[in-house]
Amino acid sequence: NAGVTQTPKFQVLKTGQSMTLQCAQDMNHEYMSWYRQDPGMGLRLIHYSVGAGITDQGEVPNGYNVSRSTTEDFPLRLLSAAPSQTSVYFCASSYQRGGAEAFFGQGTRLTVV
Amino acid sequence: AQSVTQPDIHITVSEGASLELRCNYSYGATPYLFWYVQSPGQGLQLLLKYFSGDTLVQGIKGFEAEFKRSQSSFNLRKPSVHWSDAAEYFCAVITGNQFYFGTGTSLTVIP
Repeated sequence: NAGVTQTPKFQVLKTGQSMTLQCAQDMNHEYMSWYRQDPGMGLRLIHYSVGAGITDQGEVPNGYNVSRSTTEDFPLRLLSAAPSQTSVYFCASSYQRGGAEAFFGQGTRLTVV
Repeated sequence: AQSVTQPDIHITVSEGASLELRCNYSYGATPYLFWYVQSPGQGLQLLLKYFSGDTLVQGIKGFEAEFKRSQSSFNLRKPSVHWSDAAEYFCAVITGNQFYFGTGTSLTVIP
C-alpha cells in the first residue's frame, strides 16, 4: 500500500516557468488537499477537493490551480512561478467524514530562482 | 475562526528527560485534535488524535496527550525522551475535513 505519493521530490524553477506537482493516493479517499510549509508558519492550505470534479480554495490559493478528474489524483499547477512560491509542498488525503485522519505525502521541495 | 497556537518554537531536552509540548486551540465546538510529527525531510506522521471520551489519549512511540476543555489545551507528553524523538511536532484542529495547523515546535534531544 503506497499511501500518498508525490512527485517530484525536488524541483528548481526559474521565475515565470510553469509546472505541475503530482499527487496520487491509493486509499480511495474522497478528500485531498495541498499545503505549503514555510519556516515559522506551519502548514497552510492551498486548495482542496472533496471528490472528483469538486475543488475549492484554501487559505493561500493565489498562483495555484488544481483539478480533480479522478479520485486518485490531485495535481497542483503553478501557473507562473515566483520566488515567493519557494516552499515545501505537501499533499494529503483522508476519508470524507468529520475528524478523519489525514495521510501525508513525503513532500516536494520547490525552489524558484 | 479556528486557530491553533504552539507557543514554543523550539525546545531542547536531555535524553531520558520528560517532555511536554504545548498546544492551545480556538474553536467553538468540541474539536477534533491531532498531533503530528515530522522528521527531517519527511512528511507528517500521526502521533495521536482526540475526538471525544477519555481526555487522556495514548499514541504511538510512547506519546500521550491530555485534552483540557477549560484551558483550551491539548498538550503532548512523553515520560522519557529518546534521541530518535528529535523532530518537528505539529498540533492541529480539524473542522469538516479542513486542518488548521499550529506553527510547530522543533525538538532537539541532547545526549
